[in-house]
Amino acid sequence: GAGVSQSPRYKVAKRGQDVALRCDPISGHVSLFWYQQALGQGPEFLTYFQNEAQLDKSGLPSDRFFAERPEGSVSTLKIQRTQQEDSAVYLCASSLVADSNTEAFFGQGTRLTVV
Amino acid sequence: KNEVEQSPQNLTAQEGEFITINCSYSVGISALHWLQQHPGGGIVSLFMLSSGKKKHGRLIATINIQEKHSSLHITASHPRDSAVYICAAQDFSGTYKYIFGTGTRLKVLA
Repeated sequence: GAGVSQSPRYKVAKRGQDVALRCDPISGHVSLFWYQQALGQGPEFLTYFQNEAQLDKSGLPSDRFFAERPEGSVSTLKIQRTQQEDSAVYLCASSLVADSNTEAFFGQGTRLTVV
Repeated sequence: KNEVEQSPQNLTAQEGEFITINCSYSVGISALHWLQQHPGGGIVSLFMLSSGKKKHGRLIATINIQEKHSSLHITASHPRDSAVYICAAQDFSGTYKYIFGTGTRLKVLA
């Protein structure tokens, strides 16, 4: 596609509900990142995929957070038993290769509100 | 102490003013990025720097590797420049993930 696409754009979840956030990276991009951006803050790293391999999940805040990219393209970030502190914008980014001279392209984000 | 720090956090300017946003980082980097974020919108890349200076239109970005400092300048600011400007250090170890500053919220008044 023309850019990184995320869906849904907005999600309201009741506390305790499970949610799934989708990211369609730019076609052919090897690297895929998920970031979490709390209100008024800069984004923070959650996890990284190189193709289908999840090489870094050091930023996932708890075992309620799970991400996958089974075929090396579309990725899903799943949050189980959502809590109010999970309310944030979840950003996905992709880059062509894992390289120091390669910039990442960001999606519009999914704004998650847990009530 | 955050690994990437920006100043100021908020900035209000009059149209036409020269604007400077500063970024300091404490980590090793492969590159330093300046990005723009509009309310409700995604993040757009403005500059990727590994040394020296880059210019695009009214925007200028500089980096001093030895001092671990970068600046973003906007000349002849305009209300359409109003946005959040974010500095991000790109990690050099394997993932090349971004480590973001907290952003500078810029408002340019007509």
